[in-house]
Amino acid sequence: DAGITQSPRHKVTETGTPVTLRCHQTENHRYMYWYRQDPGHGLRLIHYSYGVKDTDKGEVSDGYSVSRSKTEDFLLTLESATSSQTSVYFCAISVHGDTGELFFGEGSRLTVL
Amino acid sequence: RKEVEQDPGPFNVPEGATVAFNCTYSNSASQSFFWYRQDCRKEPKLLMSVYSSGNEDGRFTAQLNRASQYISLLIRDSKLSDSATYLCVVFSGAGSYQLTFGKGTKLSVIP
Repeated sequence: DAGITQSPRHKVTETGTPVTLRCHQTENHRYMYWYRQDPGHGLRLIHYSYGVKDTDKGEVSDGYSVSRSKTEDFLLTLESATSSQTSVYFCAISVHGDTGELFFGEGSRLTVL
Repeated sequence: RKEVEQDPGPFNVPEGATVAFNCTYSNSASQSFFWYRQDCRKEPKLLMSVYSSGNEDGRFTAQLNRASQYISLLIRDSKLSDSATYLCVVFSGAGSYQLTFGKGTKLSVIP
């Protein structure tokens, strides 16, 4: 158990509303990631962070922003949710530096109506 | 476009069978390779890393063929609990973070 919690786990919202998903870790790992998973696609990286206030864009960053003001929290914000952002969002941490060995949170299922 | 390709399956096999999955990748500069397992409506979990010489963990064997750019996962003596989707993952580590997930291969082990 890598001590990752995501909240909320489920959310239904309407188009145009802002949404923030939270990822919290208990072990002060440096690298954190936000992915989305959709049918017919592999997991796709939205944004990642390599330290407090250090973030970068991933493959599908349009429409998303992130913030990391504390080591333990990595927030993903949809400023104005769209139906195309209906997805399952996974937060992940890398325990052994910037490698491909990730530990994932349980996921946040977001539905945008 | 860097891609990781997997047969989506489903592979339906009886308990005790041996099953193998292959995965091909297009980026010859890829450095590290992994297999993850994802149960239905759950998060992916790292199953094993794949080393150049091949590696084994109990009933699971992973192999890498860099010349042909493919990775394989062999599961021997399949158990019902092996039923899941298996994700092939390739890490290029070049510049910005580059970890590419395949879409997964679904395995159902049948009693």
